[in-house]
Amino acid sequence: DAGVTQSPTHLIKTRGQQVTLRCSPKSGHDTVSWYQQALGQGPQFIFQYYEEEERQRGNFPDRFSGHQFPNYSSELNVNALLLGDSALYLCASSLGPIAGPSTDTQYFGPGTRLTVL
Amino acid sequence: AQSVTQPDIHITVSEGASLELRCNYSYGATPYLFWYVQSPGQGLQLLLKYFSGDTLVQGIKGFEAEFKRSQSSFNLRKPSVHWSDAAEYFCAVGTSNNAGNMLTFGGGTRLMVKP
Repeated sequence: DAGVTQSPTHLIKTRGQQVTLRCSPKSGHDTVSWYQQALGQGPQFIFQYYEEEERQRGNFPDRFSGHQFPNYSSELNVNALLLGDSALYLCASSLGPIAGPSTDTQYFGPGTRLTVL
Repeated sequence: AQSVTQPDIHITVSEGASLELRCNYSYGATPYLFWYVQSPGQGLQLLLKYFSGDTLVQGIKGFEAEFKRSQSSFNLRKPSVHWSDAAEYFCAVGTSNNAGNMLTFGGGTRLMVKP
């Protein structure tokens, strides 16, 4: 049973560029959440996708956008990259709101390390 | 809004010694609480979770945590630490509603284990 997978593993971009990160959820999961983890900090919630719609959003600017596909995989897009966007981007999958709180546990992928120069 | 505080940024313990990592949360409703562990360059692995019921929760790798509502705490414990436990530990509170579960994390505690 494959867990959450993310690609690429590492990415280097320059300021002003755009980047797309990809995530495939754990088998049986239909909800994908994205988190940003700056160096030395805890992860911060960016947004969550369920049924191909953004359901919740954290305190991130519109430069951060996403998409969920019919097979439940997801993309995170960041436009007009800033130096401060350098971070580990984590994807987590879960059973979603239908599961209820006792089983709606998020499982994380290994992350994509983004460096903005 | 919910928040999580992990007061200890770094902790060093000797192998075989007991461990307690502190976590305090702020949330207006019944909290859903989690502990995750992160090894260098890796993603997060779930150690244990609390939703309701018994306030002492058992997890993987011999870890346990106790929910104390009166102290707004969810401290993680292990009776005997192994060298492989060296990692970063994150406490999180989850808000679960019709829109799903969003996690708010603390800043983490880095655990170092002395031989």
